[in-house]
Amino acid sequence: GAVVSQHPSRVICKSGTSVKIECRSLDFQATTMFWYRQFPKQSLMLMATSNEGSKATYEQGVEKDKFLINHASLTLSTLTVTSAHPEDSSFYICSAAVFADTQYFGPGTRLTVL
Amino acid sequence: KNEVEQSPQNLTAQEGEFITINCSYSVGISALHWLQQHPGGGIVSLFMLSSGKKKHGRLIATINIQEKHSSLHITASHPRDSAVYICAVSQSGGGADGLTFGKGTHLIIQP
Repeated sequence: GAVVSQHPSRVICKSGTSVKIECRSLDFQATTMFWYRQFPKQSLMLMATSNEGSKATYEQGVEKDKFLINHASLTLSTLTVTSAHPEDSSFYICSAAVFADTQYFGPGTRLTVL
Repeated sequence: KNEVEQSPQNLTAQEGEFITINCSYSVGISALHWLQQHPGGGIVSLFMLSSGKKKHGRLIATINIQEKHSSLHITASHPRDSAVYICAVSQSGGGADGLTFGKGTHLIIQP
């Protein structure tokens, strides 16, 4: 089946630093990748939609200068949380899709900002 | 009001019981998804459906487009089915659009 990996699975950083999260589709080429986050006891929320070679589309309320998304190839998208603050602590999940097919989710990255 | 509502929020049942989780939505959709999230956070896509009914093993998902309602059923439930089940909708092409999620149903199956 389609496999999506994320790295790292868990990261702890100091306030003010930047953190990069990678999302890879291991055995297929994804036309679109999505980034979601989930705060404790809350539902997943879409942050942005990313298509290879083009700028990401951000959801309302998500700062594009804070959450930098790079989608350099059909198998890799990265999310960089710049100048992270404690309120950015969350569970970040990516998913990958091929056209109108189902989305395949990564295992998630738990970010803790001290 | 959330666009996607699930019920119940929490469900505890005995092994072997028939489980039903409900999902109602208030927007036009192109597809509805049922997802399973385990304690570590990883998410598995169970079903994507836009009409009728789908079955996979002990899991059955149905959708009624007119009533904007979907159900996920688990037959002969087992402790390993314990997880959070999430209903999500896409408003244009299942893979081309980000999903809108319900808050999830926390299911515990006791031996």
